[in-house]
Amino acid sequence: GAVVSQHPSWVICKSGTSVKIECRSLDFQATTMFWYRQFPKQSLMLMATSNEGSKATYEQGVEKDKFLINHASLTLSTLTVTSAHPEDSSFYICSASARDRASSYNSPLHFGNGTRLTVT
Amino acid sequence: DAKTTQPTSMDCAEGRAANLPCNHSTISGNEYVYWYRQIHSQGPQYIIHGLKNNETNEMASLIITEDRKSSTLILPHATLRDTAVYYCIVRSLSGSARQLTFGSGTQLTVLP
Repeated sequence: GAVVSQHPSWVICKSGTSVKIECRSLDFQATTMFWYRQFPKQSLMLMATSNEGSKATYEQGVEKDKFLINHASLTLSTLTVTSAHPEDSSFYICSASARDRASSYNSPLHFGNGTRLTVT
Repeated sequence: DAKTTQPTSMDCAEGRAANLPCNHSTISGNEYVYWYRQIHSQGPQYIIHGLKNNETNEMASLIITEDRKSSTLILPHATLRDTAVYYCIVRSLSGSARQLTFGSGTQLTVLP
């Protein structure tokens, strides 16, 4: 089955530093990847949609200059949290849709195992 | 996307069938019903999806009512490892809106 890998699985950083999270599709090509954030005891909230070779689309209320997304290849998207603050501490999860099913809108999205970010 | 309504929590005895209901009364004709689950501190795991016919795979069965306003996910023989939050999601097929919008889900606890 389709596998999406995230790295790192957890990270602790100091306030003011930047953190990069990688999302890779291991056995398929993904034209579109989605980035979600999940706070404790809450559901997943979509942050942005990452399209290979073009600018990401951000959801309302998500600062694009703070959460930099790069989707440089069909198997890799990165999310960089710039100048992180304690309120950015959260569980960040990516998902990807297979390219060969791009015209099939009902193909399921596959999720990575998430990255736990703690900003001190 | 159409909204879904699920019970906040459910318990099920190990070895029994777990039946998780979902209401999606405003679903449109071209929207699929998806089910995912999330075990604590992991990413969501795809379970099953359907349009109007009942579906079955190695993990579960999905029963969709004829009017498509509700559905039930059935785990035929629940195990302790099935304890998770289960999300019922209606997914729009229009344009580029292929993302999944998560609601609150149902916390299923399988009891020994």
